[in-house]
Amino acid sequence: GENVEQHPSTLSVQEGDSAVIKCTYSDSASNYFPWYKQELGKRPQLIIDIRSNVGEKKDQRIAVTLNKTAKHFSLHITETQPEDSAVYFCAASTGNQFYFGTGTSLTVIP
Amino acid sequence: EAGVAQSPRYKIIEKRQSVAFWCNPISGHATLYWYQQILGQGPKLLIQFQNNGVVDDSQLPKDRFSAERLKGVDSTLKIQPAKLEDSAVYLCASSSRLAGGGNEQFFGPGTRLTVL
Repeated sequence: GENVEQHPSTLSVQEGDSAVIKCTYSDSASNYFPWYKQELGKRPQLIIDIRSNVGEKKDQRIAVTLNKTAKHFSLHITETQPEDSAVYFCAASTGNQFYFGTGTSLTVIP
Repeated sequence: EAGVAQSPRYKIIEKRQSVAFWCNPISGHATLYWYQQILGQGPKLLIQFQNNGVVDDSQLPKDRFSAERLKGVDSTLKIQPAKLEDSAVYLCASSSRLAGGGNEQFFGPGTRLTVL
C-alpha cells in the first residue's frame, strides 16, 4: 500500500517568515494530494489540495507544489501569522483511499 | 451545506466495556471513512464504505471492532471489549467524487474516547 512520510515533525518560525513542510509518497498511482490543518481539539480541515496533473497551486498565503517524478509534494506558507499555529497533515490518495502523513506541529512565534 | 455529524463527542469507559459511535455523513456522499487518531499521530484508516459496502477494512481489529452502514447513509462503529490502547479520537469522514478524479474528504468533529 501507499506510504506517506512527512517532515519535519515540528517547526517553529517567527511571525512573518515562511514555513515549508515536505511529504513523500511511494505509490505512483496516487493522484490527489490534500493538506489538512488541525487545531488542538478540532477536526482536520482541508486547506489546499493538488491533483497529479498540476505542478503547483496557490491560494493567498498558501501554496502546494508537486513533483511526480520524485514523488514528493510540499506545503508553503508565506507571511506566517500566529493563527497558522496548528498541526498540518499531508495525505496521498489513489482516488478513493487516503493515506496520511504523521503530521507537522507548526508554531508561529509572535 | 451541513457537515459530517458525529456523536457522542466524548466518552469515558472502563476497559472491557463496550462503546458505539455514530456518524452521519454529508448528504449525497457515497464514501464514508472511520479513522482512529491517537494523540500526536495522523489519522489511521479503520474502515471505508462505498454506499453500504466495505471497500477496505484491512486495518480494523476485527476481534473487537465492528462497523456497519446498513442503509448507505449513517454508520456506527463499535468496540467490544475496549482496551486501554483504544483511547483515541475516532474521526468519521465522507467524500464526494471530484470532476476529473480524486475525492475531497471532509471530517466530522470526532469522538474522544478514554478507556480507563
